[in-house]
Amino acid sequence: GAGVSQSPSNKVTEKGKDVELRCDPISGHTALYWYRQSLGQGLEFLIYFQGNSAPDKSGLPSDRFSAERTGGSVSTLTIQRTQQEDSAVYLCASSWGVAGGPKNIQYFGAGTRLSVL
Amino acid sequence: AQTVTQSQPEMSVQEAETVTLSCTYDTSESNYYLFWYKQPPSRQMILVIRQEAYKQQNATENRFSVNFQKAAKSFSLKISDSQLGDTAMYFCAFANAGNMLTFGGGTRLMVKP
Repeated sequence: GAGVSQSPSNKVTEKGKDVELRCDPISGHTALYWYRQSLGQGLEFLIYFQGNSAPDKSGLPSDRFSAERTGGSVSTLTIQRTQQEDSAVYLCASSWGVAGGPKNIQYFGAGTRLSVL
Repeated sequence: AQTVTQSQPEMSVQEAETVTLSCTYDTSESNYYLFWYKQPPSRQMILVIRQEAYKQQNATENRFSVNFQKAAKSFSLKISDSQLGDTAMYFCAFANAGNMLTFGGGTRLMVKP
């Protein structure tokens, strides 16, 4: 596609429910990243996929958070048993994934604003 | 671990004037990349400018330029001829070979007519 697409744009859920957030990266990009933007913590890295390699999950805040990337393209971030502190904007980015050079530039989607009541 | 610090939470500038946003970072790595991203109210992060640490020459993109001081670990953004459309949050970010970005806390820039 022309850009990184995220859905839904906004999501309101009740505490304890599971949510799925979707990211559709730029066609051909092998690297995909999830970040979280919250008032208290700023912008934080969550997880990184590069091609067929095992994802870097070092930024996931708890085992309630998981992500998968199917067919090297679309990714889904799942939050189980949501808590109020999970309320944030979840941003997805993609890049060509090559370390160095302009191909490591990350292009971002517009994010999903998650509100946990 | 890398850290990025933006010491100016908010700034304002008159239209057509010049403004400089500050950023400092801390890392033990020698090969890395620095970025400035702009986030308007639409939420989408937009790349403003990028600098490779191994390049001594400061990057420029039209009205945007950086002052990269590697020894001081400083990476400031200068916006010349400020326009109303420049109003946004600006984030300084660091990336090593692992590519994930570490962001500063952001500077909210208001351009006044």
